[in-house]
Amino acid sequence: QKEVEQNSGPLSVPEGAIASLNCTYSDRGSQSFFWYRQYSGKSPELIMSIYSNGDKEDGRFTAQLNKASQYVSLLIRDSQPSDSATYLCAVSGGFKTIFGAGTRLFVKA
Amino acid sequence: EAGVAQSPRYKIIEKRQSVAFWCNPISGHATLYWYQQILGQGPKLLIQFQNNGVVDDSQLPKDRFSAERLKGVDSTLKIQPAKLEDSAVYLCASSLFNSENEKLFFGSGTQLSVL
Repeated sequence: QKEVEQNSGPLSVPEGAIASLNCTYSDRGSQSFFWYRQYSGKSPELIMSIYSNGDKEDGRFTAQLNKASQYVSLLIRDSQPSDSATYLCAVSGGFKTIFGAGTRLFVKA
Repeated sequence: EAGVAQSPRYKIIEKRQSVAFWCNPISGHATLYWYQQILGQGPKLLIQFQNNGVVDDSQLPKDRFSAERLKGVDSTLKIQPAKLEDSAVYLCASSLFNSENEKLFFGSGTQLSVL
């Protein structure tokens, strides 16, 4: 059974701080890794994708991938109250995308 | 570009009744997915279509759930008869191709309450 594990949180950070979200996965054959943001009562929306080891930066967001450790993370710099949401880690392999349960993030103003 | 369309937005039924959800993917997207998201959990794949063929339905409870994608465009997901544990948000998503690095675009979902 392929699994994607995330700390459910909630993770609470003050406005302007760095939020660090983590994810581990069980399938070593996984090739693609995604972070989706889901506001309460809304559907998930893609914010980051990463396919190779290392860091990928997009604005305030940085995704980090370590395939040897089967570990993916998302850093949010200068966190804003509007970043408060559930962040879903998704892992793709064999043309199937599996989601973690998500980490709830609260950014306090 | 229009997004993934789903209807209805909300549905309340009693157990043992039947219900159907409709999805229209983004134009040109070959792959269509139905996910079930129970409160507090991540989305769970129910069925994945590539054009009008089924790619994966391993987690679809086939004794009560059925889905079809006619002409490789719109899709319908049906539950008959519904159980209390089917209460969830049913998300439809689409992607351009069926490749491992494909990003999913989600519809607004249908929130189902089974009483």
